[in-house]
Amino acid sequence: GAVVSQHPSWVICKSGTSVKIECRSLDFQATTMFWYRQFPKQSLMLMATSNEGSKATYEQGVEKDKFLINHASLTLSTLTVTSAHPEDSSFYICSAREVDRGRYEQYFGPGTRLTVT
Amino acid sequence: GENVEQHPSTLSVQEGDSAVIKCTYSDSASNYFPWYKQELGKGPQLIIDIRSNVGEKKDQRIAVTLNKTAKHFSLHNTETQPEDSAVYFCAPVGSASKIIFGSGTRLSIRP
Repeated sequence: GAVVSQHPSWVICKSGTSVKIECRSLDFQATTMFWYRQFPKQSLMLMATSNEGSKATYEQGVEKDKFLINHASLTLSTLTVTSAHPEDSSFYICSAREVDRGRYEQYFGPGTRLTVT
Repeated sequence: GENVEQHPSTLSVQEGDSAVIKCTYSDSASNYFPWYKQELGKGPQLIIDIRSNVGEKKDQRIAVTLNKTAKHFSLHNTETQPEDSAVYFCAPVGSASKIIFGSGTRLSIRP
């Protein structure tokens, strides 16, 4: 149980275009989903936290107008990188927390590798 | 916010030997302490966790110990195997209920 999927697993886009990444919890309901970014040989950096039906909370330094997050249902969150540039090339990973029963476990997706040319 | 430090950054051990990775944190309100394993090109995978009311937890070859007074917790692998080669992250959950990842430890197992 507790499987999180991401789609696509990798994507190449041209500079200036937008790309959408989907994150789904397959066998549980997630009230909260998180988006992380990871550059090569670095740790995961939290970008934003999204709760179903409300606006995402962005970490300091993350541009909310560039990284659009939508959490429309208890099983789906999307991250849209708008007007992508080469410096946005990274490994994007989502995670989901199960409907709160006093639990803190987060389950991570397999990641999406974005390359902007 | 939570400040997390992880040591060592790299660790190379002989197969069958033990490996220990330590994580220190700053938020005294932290109450959930997981360890994640990340293989190349994949997302992190939870391997073991401990809560603030427990001092030690074991799961086969791995264990986690917690010292809340000193604000650190450690991952112990008592008999390393080649498949244990990966990057390991501690990720304590503090008062903000967000996982903040440590800097990671690259563990290499020598045959």
